[in-house]
Amino acid sequence: DTEVTQTPKHLVMGMTNKKSLKCEQHMGHRAMYWYKQKAKKPPELMFVYSYEKLSINESVPSRFSPECPNSSLLNLHLHALQPEDSALYLCASSHAGQMNTEAFFGQGTRLTVV
Amino acid sequence: GESVGLHLPTLSVQEGDNSIINCAYSNSASDYFIWYKQESGKGPQFIIDIRSNMDKRQGQRVTVLLNKTVKHLSLQIAATQPGDSAVYFCAENTGAGSYQLTFGKGTKLSVIP
Repeated sequence: DTEVTQTPKHLVMGMTNKKSLKCEQHMGHRAMYWYKQKAKKPPELMFVYSYEKLSINESVPSRFSPECPNSSLLNLHLHALQPEDSALYLCASSHAGQMNTEAFFGQGTRLTVV
Repeated sequence: GESVGLHLPTLSVQEGDNSIINCAYSNSASDYFIWYKQESGKGPQFIIDIRSNMDKRQGQRVTVLLNKTVKHLSLQIAATQPGDSAVYFCAENTGAGSYQLTFGKGTKLSVIP
């Protein structure tokens, strides 16, 4: 199984809503990532989890709150988002502690904030 | 031919021709590079990788070349097919002692049947 599964595929939320994005992998990877991708732009790193601990936060606003409940799951909790936060949110995973390793990506959640 | 749009460079090639996609990376200390393919509505898909101690690596129909002197990567696709139409990103591991993939701007490849 070389899949990273993200749910939901699409999400529309209001600026006062609270929602969560979910990501799951069963490849035994102990590093997981959240990326944000705007249209016609490259993915931009948001958060890195290594061995279920947050290791990198790329100065992401606090309205985005990541959580790694176990080695297979990664969540991104959303609250009080702005329309400019509308984007494709990608989850990825890789072997932790290795510098020369492939990161596997999910299909993303297309988020629209209204 | 190749054109640079407002945000995303585009390369148009005839089916069966070879494609060359270029990428300038940012960090001279980067030690690992990956080419990803992203089709519309999907996540990035691994194509091929290369370590900084190599200057060439070949896969099935694809070749990656690395020139560390000028911080340049290229992806060559042989006998381009319609299914190769996608956006191609180079990514470099810019983390110092950790793994942090930073993506380049991307090139949209359009294959003309």
